[in-house]
Amino acid sequence: SQKIEQNSEALNIQEGKTATLTCNYTNYSPAYLQWYRQDPGRGPVFLLLIRENEKEKRKERLKVTFDTTLKQSLFHITASQPADSATYLCALDMSMDSSYKLIFGSGTRLLVRP
Amino acid sequence: EPEVTQTPSHQVTQMGQEVILRCVPISNHLYFYWYRQILGQKVEFLVSFYNNEISEKSEIFDDQFSVERPDGSNFTLKIRSTKLEDSAMYFCASSEDRSGGSPLHFGNGTRLTVT
Repeated sequence: SQKIEQNSEALNIQEGKTATLTCNYTNYSPAYLQWYRQDPGRGPVFLLLIRENEKEKRKERLKVTFDTTLKQSLFHITASQPADSATYLCALDMSMDSSYKLIFGSGTRLLVRP
Repeated sequence: EPEVTQTPSHQVTQMGQEVILRCVPISNHLYFYWYRQILGQKVEFLVSFYNNEISEKSEIFDDQFSVERPDGSNFTLKIRSTKLEDSAMYFCASSEDRSGGSPLHFGNGTRLTVT
């Protein structure tokens, strides 16, 4: 069955640097891949979505890439700030029929040091 | 900006008791979901709901769980007889559409503690 893998170790970087987070999946390529941010004790918040025929998507300081050959998405935050510290989740639609079942990876915690 | 609201924010109950968690999805959304997150673990899919019926459910969503849209605004999750392992954050979400291209909008959750 499809598995989503995100680095479980926290990523610790200096303010101003670019953070790069990885999401790998194991089987079929989804039509869409989504990225969310989750702060402690809060619900996930949608950030970006990328389609399988898109190589790259940008929104302000955020950039997502999607490589269906490598079965991987990379999530970049440029000019990182301490306020970017959070857990970042990737999510794929795993439904097998007309229903919608978005499944989340375990997330990677990002810590941005001032 | 419209948001999903959940009540209560924290619910404490004794093992074996019934609980109902409540959610008000975004008003023009037609697709609704419940997820749960055990402390320190991943956000897990429980159930999706559309047109007054369950679209899909996970293996976690057994006979102890049920969902309902009792009126035009609320969406509820009932756990009939709670177990210790039901302790978790429960998140409600809604979306405009049901394709993978439709983002989910989450509430801030109900923390359920079963003692």
